[in-house]
Amino acid sequence: QQPVQSPQAVILREGEDAVINCSSSKALYSVHWYRQKHGEAPVFLMILLKGGEQKGHDKISASFNEKKQQSSLYLTASQLSYSGTYFCGTEIWSVGAAGNKLTFGGGTRVLVKP
Amino acid sequence: DGGITQSPKYLFRKEGQNVTLSCEQNLNHDAMYWYRQDPGQGLRLIYYSQIVNDFQKGDIAEGYSVSREKKESFPLTVTSAQKNPTAFYLCASSAGTGIVLEQFFGPGTRLTVL
Repeated sequence: QQPVQSPQAVILREGEDAVINCSSSKALYSVHWYRQKHGEAPVFLMILLKGGEQKGHDKISASFNEKKQQSSLYLTASQLSYSGTYFCGTEIWSVGAAGNKLTFGGGTRVLVKP
Repeated sequence: DGGITQSPKYLFRKEGQNVTLSCEQNLNHDAMYWYRQDPGQGLRLIYYSQIVNDFQKGDIAEGYSVSREKKESFPLTVTSAQKNPTAFYLCASSAGTGIVLEQFFGPGTRLTVL
């Protein structure tokens, strides 16, 4: 089942902060975050394993609340380069030889203006 | 330089024709994935493979087929049974099997069926 991302879109001024949320109805093994620029391939930002560890990538950080099956991505002091669509991908533990897979959310469009 | 290549970048086909999209990686990754992305939407998993000569259906496998005869190659065939094949197709790979590690994406193939 696809995770739900919110908000669907956000417009920021350079230097402002934003939070993107990703919620799942299933117990998660990990949450991945990717950013995609228009017409390009998604680029990996970070992985959060269950355990609630917060991670960072430049001024972008994320947390994972295992009890709520929710992850949040924090854009701090946003830069023009932060513009793009952010996707979360959720991983559920799969028993068997097939291995795990990611299910991606619908994305959050971020536009940072000067 | 290591990476993933997809060809062609743009592909036009007539309705009813099968078409094969190429995906090659020289990262020595075990796992490979095919995703479909429609305008303004997230990524949906078509097929994935953890090892050579083995692959699993994703969430939207109907109308598609794959093969994994070599570790570095994972071609996707869009068959005439796929009702709405026009989309952006992304191939990805990752180092691990079992769990999902960082996914590296190719530049994508934009398929238009006329």
